[in-house]
Amino acid sequence: QSALTQPASVSGSPGQSITISCTGTSSDIGGYKYVSWYQQHPGKAPKLIIYEVSNRPSGVSNRFSGSKSGNTASLTISGLQADDEADYYCSSYSSISTPYVFGAGTIVTVL
Amino acid sequence: EVQLVESGGGFVQPGGSLRLSCAASGFTFSPFWMTWVRQTPTKGLEWVANINPDGSGKNYVDSVKGRFTLSRDNAKNSVYLHMNSLRADDTAVYYCARNGPAHASDIWGQGTLVTVSS
Repeated sequence: QSALTQPASVSGSPGQSITISCTGTSSDIGGYKYVSWYQQHPGKAPKLIIYEVSNRPSGVSNRFSGSKSGNTASLTISGLQADDEADYYCSSYSSISTPYVFGAGTIVTVL
Repeated sequence: EVQLVESGGGFVQPGGSLRLSCAASGFTFSPFWMTWVRQTPTKGLEWVANINPDGSGKNYVDSVKGRFTLSRDNAKNSVYLHMNSLRADDTAVYYCARNGPAHASDIWGQGTLVTVSS
């Protein structure tokens, strides 16, 4: 059982926006700004797309945005494209158990 | 090109040992914390361990404490995960990653598969 809770799947049509939630506790998401999001295509390594809640690494499309409210972080993908079909994982620093925890991942399907 | 390349994975019997290596290139290796993350179809991504820049500080997930040991050689731009007393539930793809901004892993290797089975 993952420490952070994500929906198993989210889908949308090309051009639409979708949002993936990631719920934790005050010991991880709620207590720190160290929330990151990763995109993983089948057979590939995860790729960092958001760090520190809402920052994008160089080269990541501005269609990806992140936010946080309380114990829940969110990733929004706007202008959905076929290549956005992938698994998305949230992660947070945690003050209990392991220093870093992940969500179980969300499968994004472009209809 | 900035990259991490893992090696050393393979098939091992329960109770056996393996040493995973991660070679860095394209960036200055020594200032960065380095992390190992593993992935299985059932448990997803799991943070395993990390090591500080000079190798004096290491952290491990509870399930591998006492069995896995991290080390690094900054002269060789490499980090190593020594895995002993391997169990079936250690079976996973193991990724090496660089700790970048705000505790995020900004560079990942391609992963190496470890299979523990009799």
